[in-house]
Amino acid sequence: NAGVMQNPRHLVRRRGQEARLRCSPMKGHSHVYWYRQLPEEGLKFMVYLQKENIIDESGMPKERFSAEFPKEGPSILRIQQVVRGDSAAYFCASSPNPGQGSNQPQHFGDGTRLSIL
Amino acid sequence: AQSVTQLGSHVSVSEGALVLLRCNYSSSVPPYLFWYVQYPNQGLQLLLKYTSAATLVKGINGFEAEFKKSETSFHLTKPSAHMSDAAEYFCAASGAGSYQLTFGKGTKLSVIP
Repeated sequence: NAGVMQNPRHLVRRRGQEARLRCSPMKGHSHVYWYRQLPEEGLKFMVYLQKENIIDESGMPKERFSAEFPKEGPSILRIQQVVRGDSAAYFCASSPNPGQGSNQPQHFGDGTRLSIL
Repeated sequence: AQSVTQLGSHVSVSEGALVLLRCNYSSSVPPYLFWYVQYPNQGLQLLLKYTSAATLVKGINGFEAEFKKSETSFHLTKPSAHMSDAAEYFCAASGAGSYQLTFGKGTKLSVIP
């Protein structure tokens, strides 16, 4: 499967625990985006990364959330000390080099459904 | 800031009827526009994209959308609905110099046999 791979598909955590969400981009794509989807809402941009660089994190909450895309391995979205409000579907997308204001479509994974008990 | 509005959170059509899903964007500069479809518990699949080459854009599964600058609209249509079209549809936009996609809240399409 050459698509965007996200795991796990479902993740359950108790309040105060850490959640780690992984994303492997499509083959040949070096740009990764994370979005959050709350119930009855569209997707909201969180962060845009290239290998070893965070390009735009304007949509990330200031505390508890972090993201990385190391030279080797998948991109990781990390949520520390989770709270009930973090329950959502988290989607990763990838694209080739988007250029400036790119018309390159982003290709999405199937998401990770995070539930906080 | 860019915003995308989808009129109607739920739309029901009969099988074989015309599908019309509405999307309006707010931008002084025409953005890049996309329609995505999401089936339950799955990610978003690209239906079509507008990139200023042509105002009428044809996509997959018989869908098409027309860009109308004067109305700041990018409505999605399909002449004849099929049961398999039942899903949630999202309109999205990205502006010049921006990598972010701004999404509408989505429209759930139901197809009645």
